[in-house]
Formats: sequence, structure tokens, C-alpha cells
Amino acid sequence: EAQVTQNPRYLITVTGKKLTVTCSQNMNHEYMSWYRQDPGLGLRQIYYSMNVEVTDKGDVPEGYKVSRKEKRNFPLILESPSPNQTSLYFCASSLAVLAGVYNEQFFGPGTRLTVL
Amino acid sequence: DAKTTQPNSMESNEEEPVHLPCNHSTISGTDYIHWYRQLPSQGPEYVIHGLTSNVNNRMASLAIAEDRKSSTLILHRATLRDAAVYYCIQAGGTSYGKLTFGQGTILTVHP
Repeated sequence: EAQVTQNPRYLITVTGKKLTVTCSQNMNHEYMSWYRQDPGLGLRQIYYSMNVEVTDKGDVPEGYKVSRKEKRNFPLILESPSPNQTSLYFCASSLAVLAGVYNEQFFGPGTRLTVL
Repeated sequence: DAKTTQPNSMESNEEEPVHLPCNHSTISGTDYIHWYRQLPSQGPEYVIHGLTSNVNNRMASLAIAEDRKSSTLILHRATLRDAAVYYCIQAGGTSYGKLTFGQGTILTVHP
């Protein structure tokens, strides 16, 4: 089944304890992206990757890191989480963005993170 | 940033058509209009996208104004399952991978 998977689905942690949220897709997609969703603020893009080894900042990258060492995986790293990073996180993937043309994005089920 | 504006909420009755508007006055010639929706407790899902002319698929229709500064997502017969938050996004050559979703329109469907 074609899908985007995220792990963990739920995580409660404490301030300053490094964590990684994994994202994996099995559709051979070039484009991957991370979003966070907060009440009243909608979906905001954190980082995106146009292809392997190519990543760039979205609208709210502060406090996050990403890597794209292989096509299927795009982990989100919080080196020193803080309470304001408590949020619902979504990973998404799509076929390549070429000449500004975006394809249908497939979203994962989300990861609910609470930082105490 | 490419910004769209949508009403905060709309209501409809089951089996009636729904027209969800979106304004994108800053759209450039290479930007497409994309629509996604998010059902309760789920990740967003793709609905439809288009550039200039109207588009149809099994889920909905997209009507794009001639000047491209606005568009309307049309659900021909709303069902209870269509109750969701609908996001209109403009994205294209100037975005280079960046996507701005905005707050979307909460659609309520009454039985």
C-alpha cells in the first residue's frame, strides 16, 4: 500500500531532550516536507526537500533540523525541544516539483508532540 | 509569501452543492491553485488543482476566474463525509518548494 508513515504517533517529552520524528514514504517520491499544525494557525511548513541531499527552510524552521540522506526517509530533528514546539506534526511527500509545478502531496497520519 | 484568503467557515445541507471561495490576488502567471482538505483527526488530502481553465475530477470541480485572482471549489452534492477544513493554496515557479496553507475554511454539513 502506498503510504507515508510517521513514528512515533504520540510523544511526550521534556524540555531540552533531543528527539527525532521519522518519516518514510514508499512511493519513490522526490519531494518531501514537514508541517506543524497549531490551533488558529493552520498548517505551517517547517522544512522541505526537493530531492536527496537538497533541503530548504519553510515558513517556521527555527528550532528544527532535517536531513535527506536517502529518498524514502526525511527525519525531523528537535535538538533541544521547548514547550512552544508542542504541536501536531505532519510529513508529506509527492512526485518531483518541476518548473514550479506541484504534484499531489500525500500526508502521513501525524505525530502529536508534547514538550513539558 | 504566496497568500490566499478564504472565509473562516461555511455551512451546507447534505446533498446540496457547496461553493467554497478563495481569493488569490497576488497570483503570478505560473502559479497553480491547489485545494486540500483535512477531515477530523486526519492528515490533509489532495482534492484538486488547476492553472487557468476549469478542472473536474471525481471529488470536485474547480472554477478559476478569468483574471485568476479568485477561484471556487465546487462540491456537487455534499455528504456528511465532506465536513472538513478546506485549504486553498497558490504555488508555482516563484515558490520553489515552499507551500503556504493558510487557515482554511471549516465546512459544516447538516443532515
